[in-house]
Amino acid sequence: EVVLTQSPGTLSLSPGETGSLSCRASQYVNGWLLNWYQLKPGQAPRLLIYGASVRATGIPDRFRGSGSGSDFTLTISRLEPEDSAVYSCQFYGTSSFAFGPGTKVEIK
Amino acid sequence: QVYLVESGENLVQPGRSLRLSCAASVVSGINLVSHGVQWVRHVPGKGLEWVGLVWSLDNRGHCAESLRGRCTIFKDYNERTVVLELNNVRDEDTAIYYCARDMWAGDFRYFDVWGRGTLVTVST
Repeated sequence: EVVLTQSPGTLSLSPGETGSLSCRASQYVNGWLLNWYQLKPGQAPRLLIYGASVRATGIPDRFRGSGSGSDFTLTISRLEPEDSAVYSCQFYGTSSFAFGPGTKVEIK
Repeated sequence: QVYLVESGENLVQPGRSLRLSCAASVVSGINLVSHGVQWVRHVPGKGLEWVGLVWSLDNRGHCAESLRGRCTIFKDYNERTVVLELNNVRDEDTAIYYCARDMWAGDFRYFDVWGRGTLVTVST
């Protein structure tokens, strides 16, 4: 069973800065099955990135996914106040769908 | 826009059963029962937890190992909804429950459309 860890737990940045969020898998995973979601209170979670690096429909190019093997990164450039959220990576397995614990991004 | 809507009991006593439904909003144009649908729950401050799914091509439900024996997921074709039933609920089942559409696009697999979630509290 794949276990995902994310770091840092919390990232506090100013508008305009760039944030890097890490997602590490306990074993090699197929990058086509590694996804990123954005969670905000009271809202539907939003798919940001699928297949490790493909932006979902309507997602601005400030969001970039990268990585392979067991090491993946979500990079958010030119941070805006609306980017304040929890970001969760996910591995879409064959019979289970592991989520990471999330990284909280705070905009100062 | 809100494409999926979760509904059901918000307060359940320990040991009782919970039933949640997931429906597609009219504006979404989604025929939910023709898709695979996932259930995910979230305790604020903790990570998302996968609950289970029902596959797109049939009505086979599959629940997380930790919930097996208590969890049932199926499609209600008459109501065009997907139902999650959780028996013998415990305090630790208190969470926000989300449903999401399961999407297969070539070699990619992901949950592309979600509901806003419904808060379920297990308490006397």
